[in-house]
Amino acid sequence: DAKTTQPPSMDCAEGRAANLPCNHSTISGNEYVYWYRQIHSQGPQYIIHGLKNNETNEMASLIITEDRKSSTLILPHATLRDTAVYYCILSGSRLTFGEGTQLTVNP
Amino acid sequence: GAVVSQHPSWVICKSGTSVKIECRSLDFQATTMFWYRQFPKQSLMLMATSNEGSKATYEQGVEKDKFLINHASLTLSTLTVTSAHPEDSSFYICSAVSRLAGGLYEQYFGPGTRLTVT
Repeated sequence: DAKTTQPPSMDCAEGRAANLPCNHSTISGNEYVYWYRQIHSQGPQYIIHGLKNNETNEMASLIITEDRKSSTLILPHATLRDTAVYYCILSGSRLTFGEGTQLTVNP
Repeated sequence: GAVVSQHPSWVICKSGTSVKIECRSLDFQATTMFWYRQFPKQSLMLMATSNEGSKATYEQGVEKDKFLINHASLTLSTLTVTSAHPEDSSFYICSAVSRLAGGLYEQYFGPGTRLTVT
């Protein structure tokens, strides 16, 4: 299974951009990068996905490097409600979650 | 996005009894459903893959006779924890997947079920 690695935790000031990195150096050519987040005691929430082009939606932007070995999720104006564990996963058949990044947005 | 529901949202049961958890995709048909378990301060651990009309595929270390999965239709999968023990207390989450062409999929998660075995 292709794996991802993320920093265990990050802090961000409210109103500032939060940039969450993810390494996926063993990604295969047809695998998508997906981002989810999980707020305490809730099911994961879909954020965004991409293959090789940068993507943007109402929640976030996804920047994927040209070699596709890493990506960055950007929350442009973080709010306190964005405090959650963020997971970067690949669209392999097993949909395995790593440990994710605990993002804490501080007032 | 699409909605996946789970029922019940929380349940307390006595040791030795069985508990059934339902996972429903409310507005789309799911070709596959997944069941995860999550212990406090840990990530989601995939337990099994449930395909409509066929037997579930269990991950290594997950007892298929203890965690019975039935995927009766494209919108419903059930997980039954049989002879529950306190160590089965956990947060159980399902997801429903609709696979698209080219390796793309849409996966939506349920809100989770908190199981406490006393």
